[in-house]
Amino acid sequence: GAGVSQSPSNKVTEKGKDVELRCDPISGHTALYWYRQSLGQGLEFLIYFQGNSAPDKSGLPSDRFSAERTGGSVSTLTIQRTQQEDSAVYLCASRENRAADTQYFGPGTRLTVL
Amino acid sequence: AQTVTQSQPEMSVQEAETVTLSCTYDTSESDYYLFWYKQPPSRQMILVIRQEAYKQQNATENRFSVNFQKAAKSFSLKISDSQLGDAAMYFCAYKETSGSRLTFGEGTQLTVNP
Repeated sequence: GAGVSQSPSNKVTEKGKDVELRCDPISGHTALYWYRQSLGQGLEFLIYFQGNSAPDKSGLPSDRFSAERTGGSVSTLTIQRTQQEDSAVYLCASRENRAADTQYFGPGTRLTVL
Repeated sequence: AQTVTQSQPEMSVQEAETVTLSCTYDTSESDYYLFWYKQPPSRQMILVIRQEAYKQQNATENRFSVNFQKAAKSFSLKISDSQLGDAAMYFCAYKETSGSRLTFGEGTQLTVNP
């Protein structure tokens, strides 16, 4: 079946602009994650959605970052007033219902803030 | 907080040879999950192998196997009969049984020489 998809693949923006990154999880997966992969910081957790529960936002680095998941499927990560330090690859992952289940990753969106 | 350490930023191996990638972690939990993910230049994180801490038997997936030493908190990945397609960045990751997020190591860049 289809894997996790993300769009756009690459995004170049100017400092101060807002950006939206999209993630389409694997059909039927109830959990969805966003991670950020940047030079010098490695891979870091951002936010986690599980079904209809309140999301775990503990990894969001600032209030400029937000995410939503509509209808328990597609998720959008929004970064407001982008800064150069936001440049990174943003990875989305999804998994089935059980916490023990494996997370499957999308190809990521490379964000470059000029 | 849990930490994952990969002490080898880069490794190289000759095609058809065997290579071992190291990973250590720190946790106070007794039950958890460990993973090795592969990230080729396409950026897509691909699950290579997973290990449940409560299982004493080391996980094996074809040419990939792990050496899980729970007391030493060590989780190394052995790649046998290395192939050119194995060249990638390899990440070790940890997840609590009841937790949601993955905690990643810094990664090891593997080069396979023909």
